[in-house]
Amino acid sequence: DAGVTQSPTHLIKTRGQQVTLRCSPISGHKSVSWYQQVLGQGPQFIFQYYEKEERGRGNFPDRFSARQFPNYSSELNVNALLLGDSALYLCASSPGTGSYNEQFFGPGTRLTVL
Amino acid sequence: AQSVTQLDSQVPVFEEAPVELRCNYSSSVSVYLFWYVQYPNQGLQLLLKYLSGSTLVKGINGFEAEFNKSQTSFHLRKPSVHISDTAEYFCAVSDRRGYQKVTFGIGTKLQVIP
Repeated sequence: DAGVTQSPTHLIKTRGQQVTLRCSPISGHKSVSWYQQVLGQGPQFIFQYYEKEERGRGNFPDRFSARQFPNYSSELNVNALLLGDSALYLCASSPGTGSYNEQFFGPGTRLTVL
Repeated sequence: AQSVTQLDSQVPVFEEAPVELRCNYSSSVSVYLFWYVQYPNQGLQLLLKYLSGSTLVKGINGFEAEFNKSQTSFHLRKPSVHISDTAEYFCAVSDRRGYQKVTFGIGTKLQVIP
């Protein structure tokens, strides 16, 4: 079975632009979470979606938004990019919403903001 | 809110020697505990998790961890490391009551020396 896939793998944007990152979960998984991993740090939670509804949100500004589609894939949007948004963005899928569920991570999208 | 402290940013160890990676956490509520591994240019992979029951948890690739509630620790151990264990290791916690907001530590880079 295919794992979690993310696209694109790399992305270069300039300050002020907008970006959309995409994630396809493992087949049968209904929960998708997004994390930001800045170089040298651990991942930080951004959002969790389950059955197309936002279930949790981390301490990120409103410039960050996401949505989940009927096929459980998800998009993360970031508006008005700042240099500090440069990071590896990780998507994780899980069969359920409970915190005991294992999360399966994709390889990430490396975003560079110039 | 939860927090995770990984006491060592880098741990060099010779091949076939034992290793311990230290993790302490802080939380006002009961938590689940996890260790993830991240190989270069890849996403995170779950090594092991503590949900309940026996405080000694065995994971993949010969790793194990022990949950110590009184010391709020969850140290990761392996009796004999291999070159292939060279990676970054993240300790993480999540609130038992809630959704999948996982709080990660800063990570420990394990460097196995031939």
